[in-house]
Amino acid sequence: SQKIEQNSEALNIQEGKTATLTCNYTNYSPAYLQWYRQDPGRGPVFLLLIRENEKEKRKERLKVTFDTTLKQSLFHITASQPADSATYLCALEGTGRRALTFGSGTRLQVQP
Amino acid sequence: DGGITQSPKYLFRKEGQNVTLSCEQNLNHDAMYWYRQDPGQGLRLIYYSQIVNDFQKGDIAEGYSVSREKKESFPLTVTSAQKNPTAFYLCASSKGAGETQYFGPGTRLLVL
Repeated sequence: SQKIEQNSEALNIQEGKTATLTCNYTNYSPAYLQWYRQDPGRGPVFLLLIRENEKEKRKERLKVTFDTTLKQSLFHITASQPADSATYLCALEGTGRRALTFGSGTRLQVQP
Repeated sequence: DGGITQSPKYLFRKEGQNVTLSCEQNLNHDAMYWYRQDPGQGLRLIYYSQIVNDFQKGDIAEGYSVSREKKESFPLTVTSAQKNPTAFYLCASSKGAGETQYFGPGTRLLVL
């Protein structure tokens, strides 16, 4: 069966450190993968999209990698700040339908 | 301002009652989506529509119905057949199916 797995345990790091979040998937062959940020009680906000032929994508302090052999994407936040504390969701297009399927998300807590 | 609006912010449903959640977008997007989110969980797709007058079931369509009579609007009805409707409901839209999604602020549905 198709699965998208993100670490369900919260990630706690110190301000200024790099946060690394993982998204693993099985039985998908996605053309691209997306990352979203969700704050409590709000809708997710799009952060980055990476295509299958791209190994890495950057946007300011954010970096995403996409390894289609390992079926894994890593999401990095460098020089993390308390304002980066949120839940981060990965998403990819489900097989047989033109709609995204979301992982359950990983909660990041950046301590000052 | 372009964006997606959802109303109401909070909705209370009595036993056996149908309720309708509103979703409107002025982004000129073709595709629209409804998700359900339970506490500490990821987003689960209820219904999606790639074009006006057409929609498809997602992973948890039972007990829900939708219509797409206008490009801007994609209302979701939670019917009395949905036995556990308490959740946070999110509407989203995108230029095309499977592309980056823009989310509304959500509606929290509670059962009296």
